[in-house]
Amino acid sequence: EPEVTQTPSHQVTQMGQEVILRCVPISNHLYFYWYRQILGQKVEFLVSFYNNEISEKSEIFDDQFSVERPDGSNFTLKIRSTKLEDSAMYFCASSGDGVGGYTFGSGTRLTVV
Amino acid sequence: EDQVTQSPEALRLQEGESSSLNCSYTVSGLRGLFWYRQDPGKGPEFLFTLYSAGEEKEKERLKATLTKKESFLHITAPKPEDSATYLCAVQSFNYGGSQGNLIFGKGTKLSVKP
Repeated sequence: EPEVTQTPSHQVTQMGQEVILRCVPISNHLYFYWYRQILGQKVEFLVSFYNNEISEKSEIFDDQFSVERPDGSNFTLKIRSTKLEDSAMYFCASSGDGVGGYTFGSGTRLTVV
Repeated sequence: EDQVTQSPEALRLQEGESSSLNCSYTVSGLRGLFWYRQDPGKGPEFLFTLYSAGEEKEKERLKATLTKKESFLHITAPKPEDSATYLCAVQSFNYGGSQGNLIFGKGTKLSVKP
């Protein structure tokens, strides 16, 4: 069964450093997403991406965050200057039609120290 | 503001003891309601989509139902392998034309003991 692949599975970074989280969505999907889950809290929407541009973003997705689809297979989330409160599990998801039965990856656990 | 509330927060069942999980929602215009299963340290795994009140979906021991204000996930004769956190999410129609994002509840952590 097709799956969304995320790397790395766990990343530890110092506060103020830049991190790039990587995702390979399902190959024939057109809609791509990043969500995050702080330990013990809800899964929260960050950004959606369609047709090579951001289609929607949340208040969390400020100027420190950016997304890119550098080639036909990868989808990345960059955090320019990490803060302690960015520590969370980050999930990439993709969808063929943009209607909510997304396929999620296993996540990247980001720890900012 | 779109909102999802799930209850109970945690549920412990004996193997074979059927029960239901609740998801109450408020949304401006419901595009769909989704149930996911999440195992510890993993991403949500899609289970069901429900689009309109009265709709029901089934998969093995799970059955999801939808009314205008809430959804239930019924678990019949659960097994230990059904232990997980079950998440409910809604998606609203986005008047701007883009696809609305998912609003998740906090989930119900289900433990099934042999």
